[in-house]
Amino acid sequence: NAGVTQTPKFRVLKTGQSMTLLCAQDMNHEYMYWYRQDPGMGLRLIHYSVGEGTTAKGEVPDGYNVSRLKKQNFLLGLESAAPSQTSVYFCASRWGLAVETQYFGPGTRLLVL
Amino acid sequence: GENVEQHPSTLSVQEGDSAVIKCTYSDSASNYFPWYKQELGKGPQLIIDIRSNVGEKKDQRIAVTLNKTAKHFSLHITETQPEDSAVYFCAASVRTNDYKLSFGAGTTVTVRA
Repeated sequence: NAGVTQTPKFRVLKTGQSMTLLCAQDMNHEYMYWYRQDPGMGLRLIHYSVGEGTTAKGEVPDGYNVSRLKKQNFLLGLESAAPSQTSVYFCASRWGLAVETQYFGPGTRLLVL
Repeated sequence: GENVEQHPSTLSVQEGDSAVIKCTYSDSASNYFPWYKQELGKGPQLIIDIRSNVGEKKDQRIAVTLNKTAKHFSLHITETQPEDSAVYFCAASVRTNDYKLSFGAGTTVTVRA
């Protein structure tokens, strides 16, 4: 049971380039979340999904898109990367309605030059 | 939306002493309060949580207290050990809001040997 995994672990992008971050979970969780972590600001929710085929905006969605085509995967896309998107990105998942606990992946460190 | 404030931002304690981290929240509807520990280069890991119908919860050397009237909750670590050194985050969420987590900014705890 790998839990929540994230790919890649680290990436350097140039301004304007695009990329996709992959989150995968093998716990059959319904809910999945994407957060970004910046120094002194804790974690902020970007987008989330309440089930396969669904997505919703979080606190800081601008500049990002997401897709949940399969229950176990949640993709975060940056269409045109900006230096302000330099951050550490964490994915999390949760079982469902009655279970609150979110389990986090190891993170993806992204540097946009 | 929910606003969570966390204090202090850094905390240095002597091994064997106690550490206390305090958080306040703004949304009186919040009913789930987890605490996460993040070690360097890793994702946040849940260490303890408390629900709004409970005033205190303890798990070995870790305890959390909740004061709904004052809208604040605290993490207490007793008999601190070097492996307790990490960044700790509090969070708050509401069941009716898909349990989206709003995080505090984090507390860096250093345990001096």
